[in-house]
Amino acid sequence: GIQVEQSPPDLILQEGANSTLRCNFSDSVNNLQWFHQNPWGQLINLFYIPSGTKQNGRLSATTVATERYSLLYISSSQTTDSGVYFCAVRIQGAQKLVFGQGTRLTINP
Amino acid sequence: KAGVTQTPRYLIKTRGQQVTLSCSPISGHRSVSWYQQTPGQGLQFLFEYFSETQRNKGNFPGRFSGRQFSNSRSEMNVSTLELGDSALYLCASSLGAGTGPNNEQFFGPGTRLTVL
Repeated sequence: GIQVEQSPPDLILQEGANSTLRCNFSDSVNNLQWFHQNPWGQLINLFYIPSGTKQNGRLSATTVATERYSLLYISSSQTTDSGVYFCAVRIQGAQKLVFGQGTRLTINP
Repeated sequence: KAGVTQTPRYLIKTRGQQVTLSCSPISGHRSVSWYQQTPGQGLQFLFEYFSETQRNKGNFPGRFSGRQFSNSRSEMNVSTLELGDSALYLCASSLGAGTGPNNEQFFGPGTRLTVL
């Protein structure tokens, strides 16, 4: 099956710093989503981005489908950005998301 | 528009018991998927229902089952609980038809199951 790898596994930054999270996937996908898991466990949708670039405030994401990777950028980090960020993909014909192992981001004040 | 809701939020059971979890999708969404999250295995797909039919199933034993009702609400059941079933169970809904953004999944808050 498709493999999804996220890097780095852990990232510790000071408030105000910028960060880049990476997601590599091993096969062609027709759906890619980024999520932020809050401390209570809920997955919050950040981006639906099977290809191209999107921006939402301090967050932006880019997916290069032909090279099988996606990047999530967080600028001017705030302590509320802390948590685990997941990338998830869906391949053609499959009705399920396959998740990476996540990147745990810690923003210190 | 209300988000995905799951009940109960927390559950404590003992080995050998069975449990039923409930999920109400976003209004108008016809696809409901279930995922299990554990520290060791991460997020794993359990099954997906669309218009009361199971469309896809993950690699879980038959003790895990589910169903979907005509109003798109879904339940999952785990019988003969084992310690390893302790996990966060997440439900997601999507419009579910066709391709593209219709398949963007939105998640509920989860049910945290502890098996003693």
